[in-house]
Amino acid sequence: GAGVSQTPSNKVTEKGKYVELRCDPISGHTALYWYRQSLGQGPEFLIYFQGTGAADDSGLPNDRFFAVRPEGSVSTLKIQRTERGDSAVYLCASSAAGLRDEQFFGPGTRLTVL
Amino acid sequence: KQEVTQIPAALSVPEGENLVLNCSFTDSAIYNLQWFRQDPGKGLTSLLLIQSSQREQTSGRLNASLDKSSGRSTLYIAASQPGDSATYLCAVRWGNKLVFGAGTILRVKS
Repeated sequence: GAGVSQTPSNKVTEKGKYVELRCDPISGHTALYWYRQSLGQGPEFLIYFQGTGAADDSGLPNDRFFAVRPEGSVSTLKIQRTERGDSAVYLCASSAAGLRDEQFFGPGTRLTVL
Repeated sequence: KQEVTQIPAALSVPEGENLVLNCSFTDSAIYNLQWFRQDPGKGLTSLLLIQSSQREQTSGRLNASLDKSSGRSTLYIAASQPGDSATYLCAVRWGNKLVFGAGTILRVKS
């Protein structure tokens, strides 16, 4: 596709459940990023992939959060034992390769934990 | 700590006015700075990217400047239109991550 896509667009789950959020980056982009945005705030960095490997996961809040990118394209953000505080919009971005490249964002997944 | 601050938090102007949005950051060792637009319930649209070696970038009615030494960037919007109403986010690239400000909510009244 022409841009970054994310599925689902909305996810409602119950406290304690497991969720997976998917990101399809722009074709050919080797760098992929996950961010989390709470209401009224700017996005906060979670994790950065260069190819298949997580180059920087320093933004993951705790070990309930995990992300993979097994083939260097699609990425999945996984959240175990969800808590109400995990409710936010999860944004994915991709860039061509290097640290100086422009990042392009997807529409986000709005996660609501009841 | 690397932080980004945006002023004002909200701005309301009549159609046709020129306006300036401000962004300040705490550490001048940046790779680049990016301005985004976000419409309600939507993702981020990239407006302008300024590399650390550049002073400004222009796209249509938008002009962004960068002063690394003072830790500041401004986004200038000329001849504002109601369609410009959105939240504008400034983001600074340090290392592997973009660090965002909280944004400026802009309303252009017709």
